[in-house]
Amino acid sequence: EIVLTQSPATLSLSPGERATLSCRASQSVSSYLAWYQQKPGQAPRLLIYDASNRATGIPARFSGSGSGTDFTLTISSLEPEDFAVYYCQQRSNWLLTFGGGTKVDIK
Amino acid sequence: QVQLQESGPGLVKPSETLSLTCTVSGDSIRSYSWSWIRQSPGKGVEWIGNFFYSGSTNYNPSLKSRVTISGDTSKNQFSLKLSSVTAADTAVYYCARGGGNYLVDYWGQGTLVTVSS
Repeated sequence: EIVLTQSPATLSLSPGERATLSCRASQSVSSYLAWYQQKPGQAPRLLIYDASNRATGIPARFSGSGSGTDFTLTISSLEPEDFAVYYCQQRSNWLLTFGGGTKVDIK
Repeated sequence: QVQLQESGPGLVKPSETLSLTCTVSGDSIRSYSWSWIRQSPGKGVEWIGNFFYSGSTNYNPSLKSRVTISGDTSKNQFSLKLSSVTAADTAVYYCARGGGNYLVDYWGQGTLVTVSS
């Protein structure tokens, strides 16, 4: 099983600030890494797939980078609706795994 | 647009079988891969397994002995059965398009299943 470790667990920022979230894999997942946003009471929503591709309808302030074992999700300027929990997920191995999540909350 | 909707009992007794159905609209389960995923405070987000129309399935080894995922093309639905449940199986259960080596791009809204007597 590929273990995904996200850091930090919580990120306290103000609207307009830049958010940088990290996801590290226990072994290489190539570029098969996705990022999801989840708000309370809602299902996760796909933001980024294959490390750096924005899903349909996702604003340009969201960007992803990385390959192999180290990945980053960047939100260039936080909007009020961006405060949520973010998960990374790999599909390199048929046994899908998710990271533990990073909560982005309002400072 | 692809939409998924879970349905089934919200309360299951310990040792019994949890059964959920996912109804898909906007796509056919004859295509792609279809998964069940669950989320609980203690275990985070956990992929349960996936199903292909061809009949092949993949299950999380941690649940494999208790899980069955199958599809009904006439109703464009797929189902989850999880046997011998315990309180540890209490979670929000999601159905989703994708899984295995396929991108998970659409999710149902989720349904809370509580295991309790």
